[in-house]
Amino acid sequence: DVKVTQSSRYLVKRTGEKVFLECVQDMDHENMFWYRQDPGLGLRLIYFSYDVKMKEKGDIPEGYSVSREKKERFSLILESASTNQTSMYLCASSPPVIAGSYEQYFGPGTRLTVT
Amino acid sequence: GEDVEQSLFLSVREGDSSVINCTYTDSSSTYLYWYKQEPGAGLQLLTYIFSNMDMKQDQRLTVLLNKKDKHLSLRIADTQTGDSAIYFCAESGTSNTGKLIFGQGTTLQVKP
Repeated sequence: DVKVTQSSRYLVKRTGEKVFLECVQDMDHENMFWYRQDPGLGLRLIYFSYDVKMKEKGDIPEGYSVSREKKERFSLILESASTNQTSMYLCASSPPVIAGSYEQYFGPGTRLTVT
Repeated sequence: GEDVEQSLFLSVREGDSSVINCTYTDSSSTYLYWYKQEPGAGLQLLTYIFSNMDMKQDQRLTVLLNKKDKHLSLRIADTQTGDSAIYFCAESGTSNTGKLIFGQGTTLQVKP
């Protein structure tokens, strides 16, 4: 079974803090994704990575950065947290498209509150 | 651009059928997916359909695809309280990077 884990289920941070959200997958997947989920807006892609040290901006990258130093780990960084970044953050991984599927496997999510 | 639209809420009685609808814009999408998110959890793949199919059935689930109208639906027969969740439709789009484009999600409420 594919397992995607996220470092925290709940996190409370103060405005201006630097925040790290960690995601680890155990299936040797090339692709990894970070989304945020807000009511009525669905899932919006923040960043994705298709290989170690490779990254691409998604639809809403402003205020975020990412790091992928190892294949199994993809980190989302909020350089200076703001209240409008309060949200549910979901990490996902998938094998390369050449394998014949776009199926993504999701972690349980991190609910971040910025006060 | 690529876009996926869903209604936000559906309420049904236990034992009835539920039909969740989705429209998408990219006719070249190879795969269309349905994901389920239970309260407090991540998304889990429920089912998917290839773009060259019209219908797929899997136990209580039936997926219908109308490519002409770019319309996808998920029918759940004999809906149970355990089916209460958020259901997301997603399309693969034209990208070969593995990205999916998700709809807003439909919250299904099942009343006893």
